[in-house]
Amino acid sequence: KQEVTQIPAALSVPEGENLVLNCSFTDSAIYNLQWFRQDPGKGLTSLLLIQSSQREQTSGRLNASLDKSSGRSTLYIAASQPGDSATYLCAAFGGTSYGKLTFGQGTILTVHP
Amino acid sequence: EAQVTQNPRYLITVTGKKLTVTCSQNMNHEYMSWYRQDPGLGLRQIYYSMNVEVTDKGDVPEGYKVSRKEKRNFPLILESPSPNQTSLYFCASSLRGLAGGGSYNEQFFGPGTRLTVL
Repeated sequence: KQEVTQIPAALSVPEGENLVLNCSFTDSAIYNLQWFRQDPGKGLTSLLLIQSSQREQTSGRLNASLDKSSGRSTLYIAASQPGDSATYLCAAFGGTSYGKLTFGQGTILTVHP
Repeated sequence: EAQVTQNPRYLITVTGKKLTVTCSQNMNHEYMSWYRQDPGLGLRQIYYSMNVEVTDKGDVPEGYKVSRKEKRNFPLILESPSPNQTSLYFCASSLRGLAGGGSYNEQFFGPGTRLTVL
């Protein structure tokens, strides 16, 4: 059974810092890994999707990397802003857990002015 | 507008009263799935459907039923709700359920349904 872990559980940083969120997964035969953002009481917004054959994806100030062999993904946020405050979730899709999407517990990010 | 819709958005009900939460997508997606989100437990998959008439259990299927008679709809049925099913429920869809490259497996989520069972 796939297990996904996110570290740290919570992170508080001053505005302008670059930061890294970590995600690890136990079953490396995944199809892809997706990063989401969730604001309190709201739904999930897709940030980045990395296919199993890719090493990284970039969107604006966000960069996500994937190392399948070691079962790790990182989300890098450059020049953080208060508006980045949210819960960040990673989710591993497919592989031996055919058709399943497994989420990590999330990292709660607070960026203070 | 391409979207996943869920209804109702909020529901308060009583133990044992059957209910259905609807999910619909207008993107011609093959893959659809349901999740529940609970404090401290995160998001957990209840059921998924690779395509019409093809469904399978996720990690927490007990107490739930689903049906996929049409491509666009994937309702979640609670035959006899209990208080431990009080949760925030999300429906999601993607173009494909198998490895397809590109953005085939990118998941799009509905806005959520907050269910309280008394």
